Amino acid sequence: SYELTQPPSVSVSPGQTASITCSGETLGNKYVSWYQQRPGQSPVLVIYEDRKRPSEIPARFSGSNSGNTATLTISGAQPIDEADYFCQAWDSRTTSVVFGGGTKLTVL
Amino acid sequence: QVQLVQSGAELKKPGASVKISCKTSGYTFTTYAIQWVRQAPEQRLEWLGWINGGNGKTKYSQKFQGRVTITRDTSASTAHMELSSLRSQDSAIYYCARTSLRYFDPAEDAFDIWGQGTLVTVSS
Repeated sequence: SYELTQPPSVSVSPGQTASITCSGETLGNKYVSWYQQRPGQSPVLVIYEDRKRPSEIPARFSGSNSGNTATLTISGAQPIDEADYFCQAWDSRTTSVVFGGGTKLTVL
Repeated sequence: QVQLVQSGAELKKPGASVKISCKTSGYTFTTYAIQWVRQAPEQRLEWLGWINGGNGKTKYSQKFQGRVTITRDTSASTAHMELSSLRSQDSAIYYCARTSLRYFDPAEDAFDIWGQGTLVTVSS
C-alpha cells in the first residue's frame, strides 16, 4: 500500500523558517494537502493542492511538491504554530486516502 | 458559518456496534461529500470512507469493508457512520470532514472542514 513518511519532530526558534517534509513514491504526481492539529483540537486544513492556501490561513504557510517529496514551509514561525502537522494524498491505485504519520513542530 | 457537529462520546463492549452522527450547517449538504477518519492514540489518521451528500453513493476503505456503513439524512443535513464488530483496537477519536464533489472520487479533494471528533472507547 502507498505510504507517506514524515519526520517525527521539527524544532525551530521563533521567527525562523520551519520546513516539514512528506515523502512518498512519485508523490510529485499527486496533490498533497497539509493539516495542522493543535492538542485536543480537530485538524485544520492549511495547504491544499500542493501549494494553495485557504483564505483564513496566514501567508507564512506555503507548500511545494516535486519528485518524491512535498514540503510545508512556515516562514517566520510563531509560538502559536506549535502543533502536529499531517500530510495527505489520494492513492489512485487503491482509490483511498493516505495520511503521513505526523510531525510535531516545536517553536521555542 | 460552515459547521460539522458530531454526536457525543461512546463506550462500547467488544463485538458491539457504534453509530456516530455528523450534523452539518452553513452550506448545502447535497453539494458536498462527507468523509470519515479516525485517530487512535499514537497512530496516524486513518480513512474509513465517504458518502456523497447528493446521491448517497458511498465508498469504503478496503480495511473496513464489511464493518463500516455510512448513511445520510438529507432532510437533517446529517451523515452517520456505523462501525460493527468492535474490538479494542477500534478505540479512537472519529472525525467527519467535508470534501467537495468536483472530483470523480470525492476523496481526491482536501478535507476543508472537520467536525470536533467523537471519542469511541471499546472495553469490556
